[in-house]
This record gives sequence, C-alpha cells and structure tokens, in this order.
Amino acid sequence: NAGVMQNPRHLVRRRGQEARLRCSPMKGHSHVYWYRQLPEEGLKFMVYLQKENIIDESGMPKERFSAEFPKEGPSILRIQQVVRGDSAAYFCASSPTGRDQPQHFGDGTRLSIL
Amino acid sequence: GIQVEQSPPDLILQEGANSTLRCNFSDSVNNLQWFHQNPWGQLINLFYIPSGTKQNGRLSATTVATERYSLLYISSSQTTDSGVYFCAVEGYNTGTASKLTFGTGTRLQVTL
Repeated sequence: NAGVMQNPRHLVRRRGQEARLRCSPMKGHSHVYWYRQLPEEGLKFMVYLQKENIIDESGMPKERFSAEFPKEGPSILRIQQVVRGDSAAYFCASSPTGRDQPQHFGDGTRLSIL
Repeated sequence: GIQVEQSPPDLILQEGANSTLRCNFSDSVNNLQWFHQNPWGQLINLFYIPSGTKQNGRLSATTVATERYSLLYISSSQTTDSGVYFCAVEGYNTGTASKLTFGTGTRLQVTL
C-alpha cells in the first residue's frame, strides 16, 4: 500500500523561474495538506485542499504561491518567480477525512534556489 | 492560534539510556501526533495520540488532554534514534480546518 508520494525529491531552480511540486495522496485519502520547513525550523502549515476545493490557505504567502488538487491527478504546489527565501523542504500530507484523523506525510521536496 | 512548546530543545544520550520528551499545548486538541525526522529529512509517524497511552517497541507516549501535555518515552536508546522529534497538534477550535501546528522540536543525539 503506497504511502504519500512526492516528486521530485530535490529541485533546483534559478531566481525568477517557476517551481512545481507534486503530491499524490495515499489511496483512499481525499484531503491533502502542504507544509513548509525552513532550515533549522519546524514545519509550518501552508494550505489544505480537498478535490477541486481549497479549504484553508491561511498559511500561504499572498503572492507567487498557489495550490490545486484537481479531480484527476496529483496535488500541485506552484511557486512563481522563485527567490532565495523560498529554499526549504516542502512536505505534503494526506488523510482520509478532514478532522480527527492522523495525517500521513510524504518524504518531502527539497527546493534549492540558486 | 494554538501554541506548542517542546522540551528539552536539545538532548545528548549515551546508547542504552532512557529519555522523556515533553510537549505542552495551549488549547484543547482533536489530534496529536509525534514524529521523528531522521538525518535524511524524512518524517516518520510515531504515534497518533490525542489522549491516553500507546506503546510501540521501545517507544511509548502518553497524552493527558485535560492538562494539555504529552510525553514521549524512549527506552534503551540506539544511535538510529538520533534526529529531531516533533509534536504536532490540531486545535479543537480551528473550525472546519484541520491543520497541524508543530512544535520547534527536540534534537536528540545518541552516542556510543
């Protein structure tokens, strides 16, 4: 039973480019969460999505960042015009229902900005 | 929002020693999870424990929800236990959202 799959594991971009991070939730899970971990810090919530809906994006920066979870395919976290401060590990988690359930995490995508 | 504090921030143990890690939180919770982040950066689910006590091998955890704290016990520590241990909670009063709020972690180093 596959866990949460994230790709790529490592992504290098130059300043000004776009970064696309993908997340496939566990089978049977329809709730997806994205978290960011800056160097030497804990994880911080970014956005919570269900299929075709953004439920809570209170942790997303107001500009350049967007997320989607289409009816078919993985969830995508998109960062436009990346800057050095976007360098971080981005983790995706999924759960079968929204509340009162454990979240299962992927191995993360390490984003490095040159 | 809910606040999560972990102690101690750093811990060095000799192999074979026991330890207790603590997580305090500021409000009622629906969900509490303990994670181990290994040196490769992977997040390993240890326990889902909003209340009560659970054990898994050398690890056990207890959450006293009414007093707003959780404890993670590591017995007979091994070098592979090294890494950062995170506590994360989902606050009861977050409405329809179910985001986890993470503590700042306890960095554990187990030496030979």
